[in-house]
Amino acid sequence: ETGVTQSPTHLIKTRGQQVTLRCSSQSGHNTVSWYQQALGQGPQFIFQYYREEENGRGNFPPRFSGLQFPNYSSELNVNALELDDSALYLCASSLSSGTANNSPLHFGNGTRLTVT
Amino acid sequence: SQKIEQNSEALNIQEGKTATLTCNYTNYSPAYLQWYRQDPGRGPVFLLLIRENEKEKRKERLKVTFDTTLKQSLFHITASQPADSATYLCALFGNQAGTALIFGKGTTLSVSS
Repeated sequence: ETGVTQSPTHLIKTRGQQVTLRCSSQSGHNTVSWYQQALGQGPQFIFQYYREEENGRGNFPPRFSGLQFPNYSSELNVNALELDDSALYLCASSLSSGTANNSPLHFGNGTRLTVT
Repeated sequence: SQKIEQNSEALNIQEGKTATLTCNYTNYSPAYLQWYRQDPGRGPVFLLLIRENEKEKRKERLKVTFDTTLKQSLFHITASQPADSATYLCALFGNQAGTALIFGKGTTLSVSS
């Protein structure tokens, strides 16, 4: 079975630019969650997609947006980049029913975004 | 506000000893609690899940306890090895639809030989 893959692995952008990060889910998984992890911190929940619909959102501004495609792959878009957006962005897939569940998350190795 | 706290200072122990990591939470009523391992530059890897009606769960050298009265989970690694050195993350699910897995800050464990 193929695990979660993320691209690119590293990215450098300038403040004010826009970025798109991509994620391929593990085979058979229907739910994708995105997390932001600053250095020395735990992952912070951005949002979750279940069957192409946003199914939960953390405390992030609207300039953070996402998509989930019919094959359950996903994108995270960030507009108007700020210096504080520099972090490791993690994608995780799981198999769920769309309601609260206990499915373990399967993470990719992230995209390291640096905003200068 | 909801909080998950882990003893976030680095925990240093000698090979062969038992490592005990603590996860405390406030203003949550989690139905489940999970533990993950994260190595530098990598995504977290799932280790164990424990339900609110379970007191203890074991997997090889790992043991997790869950005390909903104390609002605390303990994570034990027995007979620790240098390869166990990593950051360990505690995570909670709430019990509402669309609730995401919320992580603590993590505890960095270093096992010396």
